[in-house]
Amino acid sequence: DTGVSQNPRHKITKRGQNVTFRCDPISEHNRLYWYRQTLGQGPEFLTYFQNEAQLEKSRLLSDRFSAERPKGSFSTLEIQRTEQGDSAMYLCASSLWTDYGYTFGSGTRLTVV
Amino acid sequence: AQSVTQLDSHVSVSEGTPVLLRCNYSSSYSPSLFWYVQHPNKGLQLLLKYTSAATLVKGINGFEAEFKKSETSFHLTKPSAHMSDAAEYFCVVKGAGNMLTFGGGTRLMVKP
Repeated sequence: DTGVSQNPRHKITKRGQNVTFRCDPISEHNRLYWYRQTLGQGPEFLTYFQNEAQLEKSRLLSDRFSAERPKGSFSTLEIQRTEQGDSAMYLCASSLWTDYGYTFGSGTRLTVV
Repeated sequence: AQSVTQLDSHVSVSEGTPVLLRCNYSSSYSPSLFWYVQHPNKGLQLLLKYTSAATLVKGINGFEAEFKKSETSFHLTKPSAHMSDAAEYFCVVKGAGNMLTFGGGTRLMVKP
C-alpha cells in the first residue's frame, strides 16, 4: 500500500485552458474526497464519493468543475476554462466505511497564468 | 453547521520548551476532532483524533490533545518541542456528515 497518490504534482496552465487531475486512493478505501487549499488557508471541502456515487458537493464547486469516480477506484477532477482564482493546491483523501481516519495525498499544485 | 477557530496563526517556541496550539470548535452534533500536520511540500499527516472515547488523546511524535466539551476546545500540546516539529498544524472537526472542516492553521516555529 503506497498511500493516496495524486498526479501530476504540479500543473501550470494558461487561463482558459482545461486541466484534469487524478487521484488513486488506498485500494480498500471506499470513500474519496477532494479538497482545495489556497495559500495561507486551511483546506476547503469540494466533493465526496462513496464508491462511484458522488454524494456531496460544495457550493465552491462551480459548473466549471466536474469530478468522477467511474469504477469506484481512482477519481478525476476536471476544471474547464481555468481562471486565475483556480490557482491552489488540490488535495485528495480517502477513508474506510467506519474509519474516521482520512489519508491525504500530497496534492496537485495548480498555477493558472 | 460546524466551524473551527485556531486562536493563533503563528506560534514560536524554543527547542525543548512546551508547545501549546489552541483550537475552539462549534458543532451542532457530537463531533469528531482531529489534528493534522503539514510540512512544507508534503501532504497532510494525521497526528491524532478524538471520536467520543477518552477525552485525553495521545498521538504520534509525543503530541496529545484534550477534548473539553464545556469549553468547546481541543488544544494540542507537546511537553518538549523539537526542531522537526516546525510545520503548519490544522485543527479539524467532523460533524454529522462526511465533510471535514479545517481551521485556518497555526504555523509553529521552533528556535534552536
